[in-house]
Amino acid sequence: DVKVTQSSRYLVKRTGEKVFLECVQDMDHENMFWYRQDPGLGLRLIYFSYDVKMKEKGDIPEGYSVSREKKERFSLILESASTNQTSMYLCASNEGTYNEQFFGPGTRLTVL
Amino acid sequence: GNSVTQMEGPVTLSEEAFLTINCTYTATGYPSLFWYVQYPGEGLQLLLKATKADDKGSNKGFEATYRKETTSFHLEKGSVQVSDSAVYFCALRGGQAGTALIFGKGTTLSVSS
Repeated sequence: DVKVTQSSRYLVKRTGEKVFLECVQDMDHENMFWYRQDPGLGLRLIYFSYDVKMKEKGDIPEGYSVSREKKERFSLILESASTNQTSMYLCASNEGTYNEQFFGPGTRLTVL
Repeated sequence: GNSVTQMEGPVTLSEEAFLTINCTYTATGYPSLFWYVQYPGEGLQLLLKATKADDKGSNKGFEATYRKETTSFHLEKGSVQVSDSAVYFCALRGGQAGTALIFGKGTTLSVSS
């Protein structure tokens, strides 16, 4: 089975801290995605990557950056965390253009 | 641009009731359509999909038919169970984000025994 893992289920950080969210997939997928999930807003795409060292902005990239140094790992970085970045963050991966996305369990981030 | 609109929740049903969750979309071209489910404390799982008009996706007793004429992909189940309690997301693939999915806001289903 495809497995997408995220480094933390719950994370509490302070305003202004630099925050790293890690995602690892074990199926050699070329595409990886970061979404944020908020009540009443559904899932919104932050960034995605279709290859190592390649990245594309999604719908809400402001305040975030990403890193993909290895094919299996895709990191989301909050350069200076703010309270409005308190949210659930979901990572996903897939192969090719038409295949389903597989999601990790999510990281619930609270910024105080 | 592309978008997905789902019915507002929460939806509260008794066990064995009939379920419909409405989903309509706006898209250029011929998008693929998906229903994902999120059980409490978990990530999203693909429930079913349809890739072209008139296709019917089905899984675990759930069904949805891709209706291009009404731009809809409504989710149905004939008899819900308590274990179906979850959040359901309609999604399409396409638009500027390439292979990324565009999601609706989600509909929370609560089934009581």
